[in-house]
Parts: sequence; C-alpha cells; structure tokens
Amino acid sequence: DTGVSQDPRHKITKRGQNVTFRCDPISEHNRLYWYRQTLGQGPEFLTYFQNEAQLEKSRLLSDRFSAERPKGSFSTLEIQRTEQGDSAMYLCASSLAAGGRGTGELFFGEGSRLTVL
Amino acid sequence: AQSVAQPEDQVNVAEGNPLTVKCTYSVSGNPYLFWYVQYPNRGLQFLLKYITGDNLVKGSYGFEAEFNKSQTSFHLKKPSALVSDSALYFCAVRRLSGNTPLVFGKGTRLSVIA
Repeated sequence: DTGVSQDPRHKITKRGQNVTFRCDPISEHNRLYWYRQTLGQGPEFLTYFQNEAQLEKSRLLSDRFSAERPKGSFSTLEIQRTEQGDSAMYLCASSLAAGGRGTGELFFGEGSRLTVL
Repeated sequence: AQSVAQPEDQVNVAEGNPLTVKCTYSVSGNPYLFWYVQYPNRGLQFLLKYITGDNLVKGSYGFEAEFNKSQTSFHLKKPSALVSDSALYFCAVRRLSGNTPLVFGKGTRLSVIA
C-alpha cells in the first residue's frame, strides 16, 4: 500500500492520559499536514511540515499538543493531559509542494479516532 | 483570510437525476479550489481541483465542477446520481501563491435515493 497510513485507527483513553498518533506519508511527498475533524464539521488545520521543518501551527494547537517529523518522513502527534474536548478524528495528509513537481492536492490517511472518557 | 461556505448541510436527490452541491469561497488573490468526498469512518478522497484554465473541471466518478470567478463559486455537479454517491462532500480553498494550508467547508451530506 503506497497511500498515507495512520496508527492507531482508534484510541480510547481516560481524561488526563497522554496519547500519540503516528502518520506515514506517501514516500516521495515532502509536505505533511495534521487536521482535526469533529462530528458535523470539516477538517480544521492544525499544523504542517515541509520535510522536517514545522512551518505553520494553528492557534487550535494548544500547548498540550506537539507534532514532530524528525527525519522528514513519518510524523507523530502527541496530546498530553487529554481532555474530553480533544475527542475527534485526527487526519494526516501529505503532498508535494505546489509549484514544483506537484500541484498541491492533499492525500489523506484514514484517520485516527480519539475518544476521551 | 480564506474561507469556504457550503450553504446546504444536506442534499437529497433521486437516483438518475442531476445533482449539485454548492460551494462559495473567499480568498485574497487567485484561488486554488478542491472537492473531496468522505465515506463513513474513512479519510477524505480527492475528487477534482481547479487551478487555472477552463472553468469546467472534470474529476473522478463522473463528477465535475464549475468555477465562477464573479460569483466566487465552485459548485460540484454530476449529470446522473448513483446511490453509491451518497457521502459527505467537502469544498476546500487555498491561495494559489504562497504556502497557506487548505481551508475546508463544513461539508454537505449527499443522499441519493433509489
């Protein structure tokens, strides 16, 4: 499978626990994005990387959230001290930077659904 | 700032009839527009995009979209709906220049009735 993969697909945790999600992008893609989607809403941008550099973070990304892409390949999104409001689908997407060989459309993974009890 | 409006939460259409899912956008400069589809408990799948050129863009599964600059719209259309088209559809926009991320609308649920 050469698409974007996310792990785990589902995570149930208790309030106050830490969780980490992993995303493996399409191998030749240099950009990697994290979005959050809650019920009845469209995906909301959280952050993105170009190679290993984190270029932009949304104000939605509180101090409890941290994302890394240490070698410019896979990425992790960690949520510390989870709250019930963190319950959502966390979507990862990758792309080639627009203007280069790519035309910038995002390719999404299946998502990681987080439920905080 | 960029924004997308999808004015209809739900669109119902009979199988075989044409369908339209509406989208209007706001962006400074030239837009880069997308439609994505989402099936239950799945990620988003790319349908089509508009960058420049012909205002009518053809995409996957027989879908097309018409870019209208004066009305800042990018409506999704299909001449003959299938039951299997029932899903959640998202319109998205970004500025053509620069590195801004895609901004999505709230989505429109399409229900095709046999």
